[in-house]
Parts: sequence; C-alpha cells; structure tokens
Amino acid sequence: GNSVTQMEGPVTLSEEAFLTINCTYTATGYPSLFWYVQYPGEGLQLLLKATKADDKGSNKGFEATYRKETTSFHLEKGSVQVSDSAVYFCALRKRTGGFKTIFGAGTRLFVKA
Amino acid sequence: GAGVSQSPSNKVTEKGKDVELRCDPISGHTALYWYRQSLGQGLEFLIYFQGNSAPDKSGLPSDRFSAERTGGSVSTLTIQRTQQEDSAVYLCASSPDRGEWAQYFGPGTRLLVL
Repeated sequence: GNSVTQMEGPVTLSEEAFLTINCTYTATGYPSLFWYVQYPGEGLQLLLKATKADDKGSNKGFEATYRKETTSFHLEKGSVQVSDSAVYFCALRKRTGGFKTIFGAGTRLFVKA
Repeated sequence: GAGVSQSPSNKVTEKGKDVELRCDPISGHTALYWYRQSLGQGLEFLIYFQGNSAPDKSGLPSDRFSAERTGGSVSTLTIQRTQQEDSAVYLCASSPDRGEWAQYFGPGTRLLVL
C-alpha cells in the first residue's frame, strides 16, 4: 500500500543551522508530494509541493526535490530561524484510485536562538 | 478569501454523550476530508467526500463515527457514545478537484472526553 515515512523527531538546531528532514514514500505510479507545516497553536498549512519527478518545490527558503529513483522528498533549508519551529508533515496523493492523502507521522523541529 | 472554518473550536463532553463537529469548506471546493490528530501523533484519515460520489469511509475507526455533507458544502462529523480515546483534534480540509491537489486545512476542533 501507499505510505510515507519521515525521520523521527524532535530535531533541535541552533539558529542559522542547515536543516534536512528526510521523507521517503511507497506508492505505485506517480503521486504528488507535499510538505505541510503546523506552527504552534495553528492549523496545518501547505508549505510546498511537487507533482512530478525531478520537480523542486520551494517556499519561505525551504526546498524539496521529487526523487523518483530514491522515492524521496527530503525537506531542506539552508539557514533556519527560531520562527521555523513547528511540526513538518510529508504527504503524498495519488492521481488515480482515490484521492486520499497519506501523511507521515510528522517531525517536530525546535530552533534555538 | 475565506478559508476553511470549523466549529466549535473546543468541545468538552462526558463519556457516552454524542457530539457533532461542523466544517465549512472553501467555497467551490468539491473535495472535503476529515482527519484526527491525537496528541503527539500524525494525521489519521477518517473520511473523504468528493462531489456527488459516495464518500470514502475507510478511515472511520468504528460505527460510532459518521459524517455527512449536505448540498456539497457543509459537513458534519458525528461521534456517538463518545469514549475517552476519542479525545483528539479533529481537522477538516477541503480541496479543489483539479489543479494543485493540495488541501486547505481548518483550525480544527479540540475534543476532550471526560
């Protein structure tokens, strides 16, 4: 079946450090891939997306590249800020056979000043 | 424009009572989803509505859970005979049926069953 696996958190970094949150997926065909972010006390919001292989999604300094050969969609940011502290969810959605979105378990990021 | 809204924002109930949670999706979005997020856990899919098609109920954890969507817009999630393990944040999301395929989430309803 379809699934999303994220690195376990929490991840604790100092401000301006480099961030990588790993995400791998299992799916047949060519799903669309997403990163959602949930800031403390707020609802989930879309951070970035990629809809086909080799696409790079980017937003707010975050990037993720759709790698079909490694079935990965790792989230990266070159220099994190305290305001990036949140829970990050990787997700996939297939184009056929239903529209259910599969979410990873989430990775909590703490950024220290 | 207006985003997804949910009500109530918080609900405290006693074990055994029924509760209704409401979701107003973004106007024009044909797809609507319900998820449950327990403390420290990821999102658990509950149910999905797409237009006039039969809903995908594959994520409902028991027959105490049901949902309906009236007129292709507002949705109500009903939990009968609530149990303490039902305590969680219930999230609603909507999506256009084409385009970017991303989902737009409401703020959630925090349910506490005593």
